[in-house]
Amino acid sequence: GQQVMQIPQYQHVQEGEDFTTYCNSSTTLSNIQWYKQRPGGHPVFLIQLVKSGEVKKQKRLTFQFGEAKKNSSLHITATQTTDVGTYFCAAGDSNYQLIWGAGTKLIIKP
Amino acid sequence: ETGVTQSPTHLIKTRGQQVTLRCSSQSGHNTVSWYQQALGQGPQFIFQYYREEENGRGNFPPRFSGLQFPNYSSELNVNALELDDSALYLCASSSRRDNEQFFGPGTRLTVL
Repeated sequence: GQQVMQIPQYQHVQEGEDFTTYCNSSTTLSNIQWYKQRPGGHPVFLIQLVKSGEVKKQKRLTFQFGEAKKNSSLHITATQTTDVGTYFCAAGDSNYQLIWGAGTKLIIKP
Repeated sequence: ETGVTQSPTHLIKTRGQQVTLRCSSQSGHNTVSWYQQALGQGPQFIFQYYREEENGRGNFPPRFSGLQFPNYSSELNVNALELDDSALYLCASSSRRDNEQFFGPGTRLTVL
């Protein structure tokens, strides 16, 4: 079945540094969603990308969908302590279900 | 805050027991998905209900079953609990219009 690989598993950054997480699939994706889960919390929807090559921005967050619709990335510029959490990508399938990546945990170094 | 609620918040059971978890969907949503999330892992899809019918199932045994009611709220039932069933159980409601999933706060199940 369809799988979504997400890397890295963890990323340690100093506050103010950038953060990027990547999702890859061997098959073409119809759409991809990104979620953030704070420690002890539940996933919260961030954005959905549908079009080939799409780029969307939310303040310091930039989301990209690859031209072939097989990969996606989330980039955070100048991280802040409020960015701490785990970021998940999730690919939508034709049956309205989501196939989730394993997540990238963003850790801010003290 | 989403309009999705789950009950109970926490639950402790012993092996072999049965449990029922409940989820109310957000207004206007007719689809509920259930997930199991072990500590430090991503959500694992259990199944989805759309208009009271099961609409897809992940790699979970038949002792995981569910229901969706006419008001689109939902239940997850787990029979013959095993230690490995200890996890956070999340439900998410959505509509077919955009499939953006709104999660409830989860039920933390501990099986002893």
